[in-house]
Amino acid sequence: ETGVTQSPTHLIKTRGQQVTLRCSSQSGHNTVSWYQQALGQGPQFIFQYYREEENGRGNFPPRFSGLQFPNYSSELNVNALELDDSALYLCASSWAQGPNEQFFGPGTRLTVL
Amino acid sequence: AQSVTQLDSHVSVSEGTPVLLRCNYSSSYSPSLFWYVQHPNKGLQLLLKYTSAATLVKGINGFEAEFKKSETSFHLTKPSAHMSDAAEYFCVHEDSSYKLIFGSGTRLLVRP
Repeated sequence: ETGVTQSPTHLIKTRGQQVTLRCSSQSGHNTVSWYQQALGQGPQFIFQYYREEENGRGNFPPRFSGLQFPNYSSELNVNALELDDSALYLCASSWAQGPNEQFFGPGTRLTVL
Repeated sequence: AQSVTQLDSHVSVSEGTPVLLRCNYSSSYSPSLFWYVQHPNKGLQLLLKYTSAATLVKGINGFEAEFKKSETSFHLTKPSAHMSDAAEYFCVHEDSSYKLIFGSGTRLLVRP
């Protein structure tokens, strides 16, 4: 059974650029959630996708957007990057909605200069 | 609003001594609570979860947590710390839409 994978591992961008982060969910999981973890803080929920539809969103501006594909993999897109977007971005997959364990990937470290 | 508060940002123990990581929660309903661990350069791993069954929850690697409604607490304990336990620990609350709300984290240091 393959776990949750994320790419790339590290990324450096400059302010104003756009970035796309990718996540492959664990086999059999149809729900993907994205979290932002700033240095020294706990992860914060960005949004969740269930069967290719956004299913809940945290307190993040519209320049944070996402997609989920028919194979349940997912992308996180961030436009007009700001310095404060520098963080570890975590993807988690789970089976359906509900109180099921979310399995986390290792994350993508984004640095905005 | 649901929230969790981790009372210590850092905890330092000697190897072989007990571990106590403190967490208080705020919820308007019976909560689902979790403890996750994060080792450097690794993903978050679930240690244990409480979902209104037994109040004493046993997890992996010898960790356990007790749900105390009267104190709104969900403290994580382990009888004897091991060097490999050094990591960041997060107390997590699941809200009514199954979104995870993380505490600010407690860094556990284990001295030899």
